[in-house]
Amino acid sequence: QQQVKQSPQSLIVQKGGISIINCAYENTAFDYFPWYQQFPGKGPALLIAIRPDVSEKKEGRFTISFNKSAKQFSLHIMDSQPGDSATYFCAALRLTTSGTYKYIFGTGTRLKVLA
Amino acid sequence: GAGVSQSPSNKVTEKGKDVELRCDPISGHTALYWYRQSLGQGLEFLIYFQGNSAPDKSGLPSDRFSAERTGGSVSTLTIQRTQQEDSAVYLCASSSAWSHISPRDNEQFFGPGTRLTVL
Repeated sequence: QQQVKQSPQSLIVQKGGISIINCAYENTAFDYFPWYQQFPGKGPALLIAIRPDVSEKKEGRFTISFNKSAKQFSLHIMDSQPGDSATYFCAALRLTTSGTYKYIFGTGTRLKVLA
Repeated sequence: GAGVSQSPSNKVTEKGKDVELRCDPISGHTALYWYRQSLGQGLEFLIYFQGNSAPDKSGLPSDRFSAERTGGSVSTLTIQRTQQEDSAVYLCASSSAWSHISPRDNEQFFGPGTRLTVL
C-alpha cells in the first residue's frame, strides 16, 4: 500500500521552542521527500525537501532529518514563531511505471505556536 | 509570473446540482493535478493530467466526478448531482515536468483552492 503516515495530528508549541513532525513510509521506491506548509485559506507551498541519499537538510530554522533504514523522516522547526502556525504536510514521490512522478501526501499536522 | 489560480474561490450549491471548478495552471506547466482536502484531512489525489490526457484518474471517487483539460492549459473539474459528502476544498496544482527528469523538477505549485459547500 502506498501510504505515508504522519504524526502528530496537531501540535502546540511555545514561542522559541522546537516543533517536531514525523512521517513514516512503507514503500522503498520513494525517491524524494518534500514538506509543504499551508496557511488557512491558501494552497500548500513547498517548504523544504530531501533526497534519500542525504540524512539531513537544513534551511534556516527548518531541518529535515531522514532515516532511510527506519523509513522515517521528520521536520524540525527551531525557534518556532507564531508566524509558523500552519498545517504541515509531508509527502513522498515515487516514479510510476508510466515514467511520471506521483505524490503521496501525509494527513497533515496542524501546528500552533503560542506567543 | 502569476501562480496557479482557481475559480470560484467559494461555491455553495444545493444537493443534486452540478458544479464546475476551474483551474488555470502556471503558464507552460504541462502537468496538472486535482486534489480534495476535507476538513482536517490530508490531500486526497483525484486526477492527473499530462498535457490534455489524463493517464491517472485513479483518485476520482465516483462516476459523478469528471475532469477535462483543453489546450494543455485550463482544466475543469465537474461534479454532477452533488452530495453533502462532496463538501471540501478542491485544490489544483501544476508542475513543469511530468516525466522522470528529476523529482525536484516535478515540484507541484498549488492554487488557493475552491471551497465547495453542498447544502
